Amino acid sequence: EAQLVESGGGLVQPGGSLRLSCTASEFTFSDYWMIWVRQAPGKGLEWVANIKQDGSEENYVDFVKGRFTISRDNAKSSLYLQMNSLRAEDSAVYFCARSRLSGRYSALDIWGQGTMVTVSS
Amino acid sequence: DIQMTQSPSTLSASVGDRVTITCRASQSISIWLAWYQQKPGKAPKLLIYEVSNLESGIPSRFSGSGSGTEFTLTISSLQPDDFATYYCQHHKDYLGAFGQGTKVEIK
Repeated sequence: EAQLVESGGGLVQPGGSLRLSCTASEFTFSDYWMIWVRQAPGKGLEWVANIKQDGSEENYVDFVKGRFTISRDNAKSSLYLQMNSLRAEDSAVYFCARSRLSGRYSALDIWGQGTMVTVSS
Repeated sequence: DIQMTQSPSTLSASVGDRVTITCRASQSISIWLAWYQQKPGKAPKLLIYEVSNLESGIPSRFSGSGSGTEFTLTISSLQPDDFATYYCQHHKDYLGAFGQGTKVEIK
């Protein structure tokens, strides 16, 4: 069964950095667009960023542009989110997810369990 | 950027009720719309993709319709397992904003 597992969350001070990881299993990771989505406590889902299968294209929501960088290592079946200049409003559970169609950007069919990021002094 | 607006924000219903949730896009998204169900403390689950296609394993009481800028998710006969929060999401132009969510509560 296809699975995604996030790691790397934790407590960080405002202005600090954190790198999230997402490891995939039981599917050919290099065939799929991958996405990060976040959810602040008690709030709705926010789409954050995505990356094409070969890493040649990245897209970001406006409020993270210039601060967050999405990347992937297909040899390790891993997705990353480097988060810099963190703010209190970045505190959320961060989910990685897979686009459901191999080779095409589509709806998100496989989700990880999420990793919590707390930005606080 | 395309904005997604859901209504209502909260919906109170009883088991067996027919429930409809609306999602509007700020501009045309063609057929590039999905619906998700989320329960507290869990990851979202894909229900419907490309407006009306049921994801594998999802009960047939869930259905989707619409085109362009207005879309609906319908649950034909609400079951106890359906009390949850529902989100629409577009995936046009390699982006993917979500609606703000609709919480379906027990009446």
